[in-house]
Amino acid sequence: SQTIHQWPATLVQPVGSPLSLECTVEGTSNPNLYWYRQAAGRGLQLLFYSVGIGQISSEVPQNLSASRPQDRQFILSSKKLLLSDSGFYLCAWKPAGTGGRYGYTFGSGTRLTVV
Amino acid sequence: TQLLEQSPQFLSIQEGENLTVYCNSSSVFSSLQWYRQEPGEGPVLLVTVVTGGEVKKLKRLTFQFGDARKDSSLHITAAQPGDTGLYLCAGVGSSNTGKLIFGQGTTLQVKP
Repeated sequence: SQTIHQWPATLVQPVGSPLSLECTVEGTSNPNLYWYRQAAGRGLQLLFYSVGIGQISSEVPQNLSASRPQDRQFILSSKKLLLSDSGFYLCAWKPAGTGGRYGYTFGSGTRLTVV
Repeated sequence: TQLLEQSPQFLSIQEGENLTVYCNSSSVFSSLQWYRQEPGEGPVLLVTVVTGGEVKKLKRLTFQFGDARKDSSLHITAAQPGDTGLYLCAGVGSSNTGKLIFGQGTTLQVKP
């Protein structure tokens, strides 16, 4: 069966420090991968998505970047965190080429607080 | 830009009551999905509706996709405290990337 792992679960970082959040998927190959950010009790904003190794699409201009160094690994990074980067970050995957009939499987999220 | 508007944003009801959550857009979506999220966890898929006019039932939850595929609703019959959570609708555009556009969410509290 497929599983998705996201870590760390919580993170408190000072302003100006770097960030690295990691997401890995097991039990499948060539998944579509997504990074979302969620404000408290609100909807999800798509940050980045990837349909293959090294292929990253950015949805909104921001202080963050993403990379996909391996087929089932998706990393969210920042060189210098801002207060506005605080939020709940969610990684998700779905099988490639399945269109809209397949739902996303989400990780358990990372609560990032920038202080 | 495709947007989804959910209403209401907050709903607090007593156990046993019925409720409906709406998800509306001016854009056409190839499909629409509903998720439920617990605090501190990722959303979990409840249902996907694909065909205009489609109705799906999941126990006490009834999901409907509008005929024009621009809107959807979630109806819960005889709500229970276990239904408490954040309900999110999400639309899929026509691209093969499968990108989901999420609504703002509806926070439901069911009091015993």
